[in-house]
Amino acid sequence: GQQLNQSPQSMFIQEGEDVSMNCTSSSIFNTWLWYKQDPGEGPVLLIALYKAGELTSNGRLTAQFGITRKDSFLNISASIPSDVGIYFCAGQLGNNAGNMLTFGGGTRLMVKP
Amino acid sequence: NAGVMQNPRHLVRRRGQEARLRCSPMKGHSHVYWYRQLPEEGLKFMVYLQKENIIDESGMPKERFSAEFPKEGPSILRIQQVVRGDSAAYFCASSLGGGWYGYTFGSGTRLTVV
Repeated sequence: GQQLNQSPQSMFIQEGEDVSMNCTSSSIFNTWLWYKQDPGEGPVLLIALYKAGELTSNGRLTAQFGITRKDSFLNISASIPSDVGIYFCAGQLGNNAGNMLTFGGGTRLMVKP
Repeated sequence: NAGVMQNPRHLVRRRGQEARLRCSPMKGHSHVYWYRQLPEEGLKFMVYLQKENIIDESGMPKERFSAEFPKEGPSILRIQQVVRGDSAAYFCASSLGGGWYGYTFGSGTRLTVV
């Protein structure tokens, strides 16, 4: 089946630093999504990307849909303590090819005040 | 305007018992998805349902697992004769249509098999 390789697996950074994480796939996706999961909760959508090459921002978050449609990255600028959590990328084929999401393994972010 | 409601939040079952997990989608949503998350891993798709129909169950284990979304009431994920390996967080998501729009996740049910 399809697999998403997400890196890094974990990051421990100082408050105020910028963060970058990425996802790669052996398969093409039509939609890329980035989620954040807090302990004991479900994933919450941060950014959705629909077109190859698309660059989208949401506050301090910026994500890009790779040109090949096989990768995406997420940047967080000026990190703050509440950014702590696990960030997941997810790909979706959509249309008639299936509505399920394929998730990466997650990047665990820890922020030191 | 409640989101996706899952209950119970935590469920403990002994090996061999049955586990029933419930999911009430967001108001107006007729598409439900179930995912499983093992510790330290991402979510894995299990099954996609619309009212009274299973659309895609390609991620469901062939035995012991079943899902339904009746005309009235919540969607149910049923696990019969649970084993320790079934211990995981089970998440439900719902959407308005068949795409990912409004693809909102619930807070999950943590199943522990002892």
